[in-house]
Amino acid sequence: QQQVKQSPQSLIVQKGGISIINCAYENTAFDYFPWYQQFPGKGPALLIAIRPDVSEKKEGRFTISFNKSAKQFSLHIMDSQPGDSATYFCAASMSGSGNTGKLIFGQGTTLQVKP
Amino acid sequence: GAGVSQSPSNKVTEKGKDVELRCDPISGHTALYWYRQSLGQGLEFLIYFQGNSAPDKSGLPSDRFSAERTGGSVSTLTIQRTQQEDSAVYLCASSLVAGAWFFGPGTRLTVL
Repeated sequence: QQQVKQSPQSLIVQKGGISIINCAYENTAFDYFPWYQQFPGKGPALLIAIRPDVSEKKEGRFTISFNKSAKQFSLHIMDSQPGDSATYFCAASMSGSGNTGKLIFGQGTTLQVKP
Repeated sequence: GAGVSQSPSNKVTEKGKDVELRCDPISGHTALYWYRQSLGQGLEFLIYFQGNSAPDKSGLPSDRFSAERTGGSVSTLTIQRTQQEDSAVYLCASSLVAGAWFFGPGTRLTVL
């Protein structure tokens, strides 16, 4: 119930291509879905986030698509660049009284963008 | 400070020794979280602080792990009698509002 399943584990994309990473969850009480980007030796950094009242959110080249009925959400990176090469984590949390807001993370996807 | 800081950045210890890992959150951030990241794995929740209290310790893997937070600021994660399976990167994050988390760079712990 608390798990967030992420796929693929690794991804290789050519420069200029679209990178797509998928996540699925079970707990319908989750109401916040962020994506984090992590470079080697650094802590994860918030990239983009969505709440379940919208189906899509776009920030620059990064888009989250959210399918509430399927309990799935995905990250799309348009025009992928070598500088996007990093590990990406999806996560989910629930707000509200009695909840700590802790994030449940997916297993991560290592993205390599080839020049 | 400008961001969340953690020290030491790297720690190598012998099996059976105790270690202390420190987290300095962003000033004014009331919420603080500790996570563990094992090689090639996701982030595993350990403990959550709100102010100086820890309402959620559910992720601590055994009674060898403990954490405290003083003055609503600095937090220390202590691992007693370290085991090789404790080797991981320990990450700290702080936030003021829900959803706006800031992670530190982590402490890489290696238990020989």
